[in-house]
Amino acid sequence: EPEVTQTPSHQVTQMGQEVILRCVPISNHLYFYWYRQILGQKVEFLVSFYNNEISEKSEIFDDQFSVERPDGSNFTLKIRSTKLEDSAMYFCASRRQLYSYEQYFGPGTRLTVT
Amino acid sequence: AQSVTQLGSHVSVSEGALVLLRCNYSSSVPPYLFWYVQYPNQGLQLLLKYTSAATLVKGINGFEAEFKKSETSFHLTKPSAHMSDAAEYFCAVSVPHLSGGSNYKLTFGKGTLLTVNP
Repeated sequence: EPEVTQTPSHQVTQMGQEVILRCVPISNHLYFYWYRQILGQKVEFLVSFYNNEISEKSEIFDDQFSVERPDGSNFTLKIRSTKLEDSAMYFCASRRQLYSYEQYFGPGTRLTVT
Repeated sequence: AQSVTQLGSHVSVSEGALVLLRCNYSSSVPPYLFWYVQYPNQGLQLLLKYTSAATLVKGINGFEAEFKKSETSFHLTKPSAHMSDAAEYFCAVSVPHLSGGSNYKLTFGKGTLLTVNP
């Protein structure tokens, strides 16, 4: 069964460094998402992406964040200058098509900023 | 804006007992509703979904949920708990973006940790 994959599973970085989190969505899916879950808190929406552009972003998704689909398979989240409060589990999700509403999640990348 | 409230951050049941996890939602438009399960150190797995068809929906692992518009609820149930059901369960709501379009981002509740006692 196709699944969403994410790399790395765990990333440790120093404050102020740039990180890129990578995701490979399910191959025939058209809508892509990033969510994050700070330890002990709820899963929060960051950004959605469709047709090579951002379709919606949350207040969390400020200028330090960017997303890209550099080729036909990868979907990346870049944090330009990490802060301590960026430490969280980051989940990538994908959705197949317009009238298919369920999203399929990857296993997540745990980002630790020191 | 839409929101989800999950009553009870922790529910403990005995093996073989009924599982009932509560979810109430708030939405200004007809919502789509989902339950996801998260096992330790794993991602979110879709259990079941309501997308405006039958109000009683069945999911994987014997779980089901009933959409009740009058109560704005979407509670998750399972007749008989199994040890393997121990996990965190998240209710989520999805609605079209306010400006239209096809985004359908998910808004999650805080989650309910289910423990199953032998």
